[in-house]
Amino acid sequence: EAQVTQNPRYLITVTGKKLTVTCSQNMNHEYMSWYRQDPGLGLRQIYYSMNVEVTDKGDVPEGYKVSRKEKRNFPLILESPSPNQTSLYFCASSLSQGVVNEQFFGPGTRLTVL
Amino acid sequence: AQSVTQPDIHITVSEGASLELRCNYSYGATPYLFWYVQSPGQGLQLLLKYFSGDTLVQGIKGFEAEFKRSQSSFNLRKPSVHWSDAAEYFCAVGARGSNYKLTFGKGTLLTVNP
Repeated sequence: EAQVTQNPRYLITVTGKKLTVTCSQNMNHEYMSWYRQDPGLGLRQIYYSMNVEVTDKGDVPEGYKVSRKEKRNFPLILESPSPNQTSLYFCASSLSQGVVNEQFFGPGTRLTVL
Repeated sequence: AQSVTQPDIHITVSEGASLELRCNYSYGATPYLFWYVQSPGQGLQLLLKYFSGDTLVQGIKGFEAEFKRSQSSFNLRKPSVHWSDAAEYFCAVGARGSNYKLTFGKGTLLTVNP
């Protein structure tokens, strides 16, 4: 089954404790992206990657890191989480053959930083 | 830069009634347009998309949307709403030749009364 998976689905942590949220897709998509969703703000892009070893900042990159060492994986790293990073996070992927394609979303990771 | 406005934060309709969710976009050329739906606790699912051609597009679950260039709009419609349509709906615009980024509206929450 074609899908985007994220782990963990739920995470409660404390300020300053490094964490990684994993994202994996099995559709051989080139493009992957991370979003955060906050009430009243919709989805905002954190980082995106157009291919292996190619990443760039989205609209709200502060406090986050990403890497793209393999095509299928795109982990989101919070080196020192803070309470304002409490949010619902979505990973997405799409083909990127020269056009904007629909993005396939993972189920989301709800993160709480105390 | 592209932007999306969904003027209605929350809409309530009765089951069986017709539905129209509004979406206005800002972009200098013909955009790629999408409607996504997010059911409670779920990720985002694509309902329909517009790239070019016929301005009335059909999607899944009986939804349709019409692209009106003169009004910079891409409103979502359904002739008869079912209780299972209760969800949050997001309009998104993608810019041609960009980093394949989708810019999302802030969403419209749909409540369906029995």
